[in-house]
Amino acid sequence: GQQLNQSPQSMFIQEGEDVSMNCTSSSIFNTWLWYKQDPGEGPVLLIALYKAGELTSNGRLTAQFGTTRKDSFLNISASIPSDVGIYFCAGELYNFNKFYFGSGTKLNVKP
Amino acid sequence: DGGITQSPKYLFRKEGQNVTLSCEQNLNHDAMYWYRQDPGQGLRLIYYSQIVNDFQKGDIAEGYSVSREKKESFPLTVTSAQKNPTAFYLCASSPRTGTIFSGANVLTFGAGSRLTVL
Repeated sequence: GQQLNQSPQSMFIQEGEDVSMNCTSSSIFNTWLWYKQDPGEGPVLLIALYKAGELTSNGRLTAQFGTTRKDSFLNISASIPSDVGIYFCAGELYNFNKFYFGSGTKLNVKP
Repeated sequence: DGGITQSPKYLFRKEGQNVTLSCEQNLNHDAMYWYRQDPGQGLRLIYYSQIVNDFQKGDIAEGYSVSREKKESFPLTVTSAQKNPTAFYLCASSPRTGTIFSGANVLTFGAGSRLTVL
């Protein structure tokens, strides 16, 4: 299957700090999605990106679709304790309607 | 409210038994997917279906089977041939299939089912 390299694997930050994580792939994707997962629950969609170079915000979250269509990043500004969880990137292969996932970034926020 | 319902939430299985996980959606989505999640890992695709009565293997289909008799339902059977079935299983759906320019596609997930083999 396709490999999405997501980094970092985990982060320990202080409340109020900004966070950045990214995903890279050797394949071209036509969709990038970012999800947050709480323990024992299904992932919840945060941001969807559909065009190369697209920059989209959702509150304190900002994500960008890389211009090469092989990468994407997610920024969280002014982190708060409820941001704790695992963040996943997902890419959809062009014309295949299949989604592949990164291994996740586990975010810990210290009050 | 529209969404995806997975059941049961927790399931225990003895070795050698088949078990079936249920997935129902009322989003009127065409495509449905099953993913497996192991601790500290991403989601791996087991099977997906883009239309009723049709489905394709994902990257880890061995030991699993599915059916798609209705648009709303996509049950997953974990057979005794699956050597390491203990995992968290996630069902998902997406609205668009079979289009060249599949922009605006998105995956919606259920709450997951945790299977433990005793």
